[in-house]
Amino acid sequence: GDSVTQMEGPVTLSEEAFLTINCTYTATGYPSLFWYVQYPGEGLQLLLKATKADDKGSNKGFEATYRKETTSFHLEKGSVQVSDSAVYFCALSDQNFGNEKLTFGTGTRLTIIP
Amino acid sequence: EPEVTQTPSHQVTQMGQEVILRCVPISNHLYFYWYRQILGQKVEFLVSFYNNEISEKSEIFDDQFSVERPDGSNFTLKIRSTKLEDSAMYFCASTVTDTQYFGPGTRLTVL
Repeated sequence: GDSVTQMEGPVTLSEEAFLTINCTYTATGYPSLFWYVQYPGEGLQLLLKATKADDKGSNKGFEATYRKETTSFHLEKGSVQVSDSAVYFCALSDQNFGNEKLTFGTGTRLTIIP
Repeated sequence: EPEVTQTPSHQVTQMGQEVILRCVPISNHLYFYWYRQILGQKVEFLVSFYNNEISEKSEIFDDQFSVERPDGSNFTLKIRSTKLEDSAMYFCASTVTDTQYFGPGTRLTVL
C-alpha cells in the first residue's frame, strides 16, 4: 500500500538557518505530493504541492521538488524564521482526480529559536 | 477566506458512550473526509464521502463509526460506543479540486 516516510523530529534550528525536512514515499500509481503545516492550536494547512514528476511546489519561501527517480519530496527553506515553528506533514494522494484520500507521514516538529 | 469549522474543539466522554463530532465543510465543496491522529502518531484516513454516500473507508472505520450529511451544511462523524483507543484528534476535510482543506480538529478524550 501507499506510505510516506518522513524525517524524525523534533528539529530545532536557529533563525536564518537552512532547513531540510526529508520525505520519501511509496505509491502504486502516480501520486500527487503535498506538504501540510500545522501551527499550534490550528488545523492542517496546505503549504505546497506538486502533481507530477519534476514539478516544484513553492510557497512562503518553502520549496519541494517531486523526484520520481528517488521517490522523494524534500521540503527546503533557505532562511527560517521564528514564525515557521510548526509541525510539518508530508502527504500523498495516489491519483490526480481530486477526491482521493491523503496518506500522511508522521509529521516533523520544527522549532526555530531567535 | 472560507474555512472548514469543527465543533466541539474538545470532547470528553466515558467509555461506551456515543459521541457525535460535527463539521461544516466549505460551502461549494463536494468531497468530505474524516481523519484522525492519535497522540504522537500519523494522521490516518478514516472515511471519504461524496454524493451522500461513503466513497472509501479504512479498516479503522468499523461498525462503530458512521458518517452523515444531515443537511446541506453539516457533516458528522458518530462513534456509537467509544473505546479508550478512540482517544485522538479528529480532523474533517473537504475539497472540490485536488487540495483538501482541513478544519482545526476535535480532540476526543475517552475515559
